[in-house]
Amino acid sequence: DSGVTQTPKHLITATGQRVTLRCSPRSGDLSVYWYQQSLDQGLQFLIQYYNGEERAKGNILERFSAQQFPDLHSELNLSSLELGDSALYFCASSGSRPPFPYGYTFGSGTRLTVV
Amino acid sequence: GQNIDQPTEMTATEGAIVQINCTYQTSGFNGLFWYQQHAGEAPTFLSYNVLDGLEEKGRFSSFLSRSKGYSYLLLKELQMKDSASYLCAVGGNKLVFGAGTILRVKS
Repeated sequence: DSGVTQTPKHLITATGQRVTLRCSPRSGDLSVYWYQQSLDQGLQFLIQYYNGEERAKGNILERFSAQQFPDLHSELNLSSLELGDSALYFCASSGSRPPFPYGYTFGSGTRLTVV
Repeated sequence: GQNIDQPTEMTATEGAIVQINCTYQTSGFNGLFWYQQHAGEAPTFLSYNVLDGLEEKGRFSSFLSRSKGYSYLLLKELQMKDSASYLCAVGGNKLVFGAGTILRVKS
């Protein structure tokens, strides 16, 4: 157990629907990062939060949004889902900003399948 | 921005040594990470380099040359369980990952 908890582990939903992915960072970590990993593709950075505030944004679609709550857990909301949104979504946390020298601790991911 | 290049796939034999290369171009550099990722699982930390040179950790070593924008991960005494994807990552406030190198270890 890495200490980063992601729920649910698997999600199957229909096109056009909306889902929420949840992440609880490792105890004491203030930074949360969301990444998308599609089949045969690398980890694509979506968004970063630090202590409740958005700090960096990647190529995140307008249909996607996220937030970090006062208890530091984070949620990634995906709406108007399309088949191409099917992917593994990873949350990672770090205890320092920037994340050096210890890097990230990743959660086990949420596998989203849009049918 | 950042650009990271790694070979797509490599195959090696159990017990052998393999070197996975990574070249990068980045606007800000605070260090380079190597992660291991088994299919469908989360990436796990292998190594971190911020200064030029070789960092050794058991069967795994990682090398960095900042002037050349180049790193490699060296895996010795390969085992079947080393079959995985190896990700090179660099960055400033966030990590940018390469597409990963799929390593297949055959007996």
